[in-house]
Amino acid sequence: GIQVEQSPPDLILQEGANSTLRCNFSDSVNNLQWFHQNPWGQLINLFYIPSGTKQNGRLSATTVATERYSLLYISSSQTTDSGVYFCAVDSLGSNYKLTFGKGTLLTVNP
Amino acid sequence: DAGVTQSPTHLIKTRGQQVTLRCSPKSGHDTVSWYQQALGQGPQFIFQYYEEEERQRGNFPDRFSGHQFPNYSSELNVNALLLGDSALYLCASSLVGGKEGYTFGSGTRLTVV
Repeated sequence: GIQVEQSPPDLILQEGANSTLRCNFSDSVNNLQWFHQNPWGQLINLFYIPSGTKQNGRLSATTVATERYSLLYISSSQTTDSGVYFCAVDSLGSNYKLTFGKGTLLTVNP
Repeated sequence: DAGVTQSPTHLIKTRGQQVTLRCSPKSGHDTVSWYQQALGQGPQFIFQYYEEEERQRGNFPDRFSGHQFPNYSSELNVNALLLGDSALYLCASSLVGGKEGYTFGSGTRLTVV
């Protein structure tokens, strides 16, 4: 099945700093999403981005499908950005399920 | 517009018991998927339901079963609970084929003692 690798596994920032999270995947995808999992466990959808670039406030994402990677940018980080960020994909051969990476644990200190 | 609703939020069961978790999809969505998330891991796909049928199943034993109702809501049943079934169970809804992405509920945290 498709493999999803996220980096870095852990990231500690001071409030106001910028960061880039990376997601590499091993096959062509039908769907790619970035999620933020809050301390209560809910997965909040940040972007549905199988290709191209999108922006939402301080967050933006870029997926280069031909090179099989996606980037999530967080600018002017806030303590409320803390949590685990997951990249999830479904491959063209199996668009019934999402395969998740192991996540990036982001800690933003005041 | 209501999102994905899951119940209950927390549950404690004894080994060997059976449990049923429930999910109501986001309005307009017709497909429901279930995921298991162990502590410190990413969610793992259990199965997906569309038109009241199981479309695809992940690497989970037959103790895990499900159902989708005509109103698109779904249940996840787990029989003969093991300590290792303790996890966060997440429901996701979508349009068929995952078009426009998946929306997740807040999950049910199951503890097996």
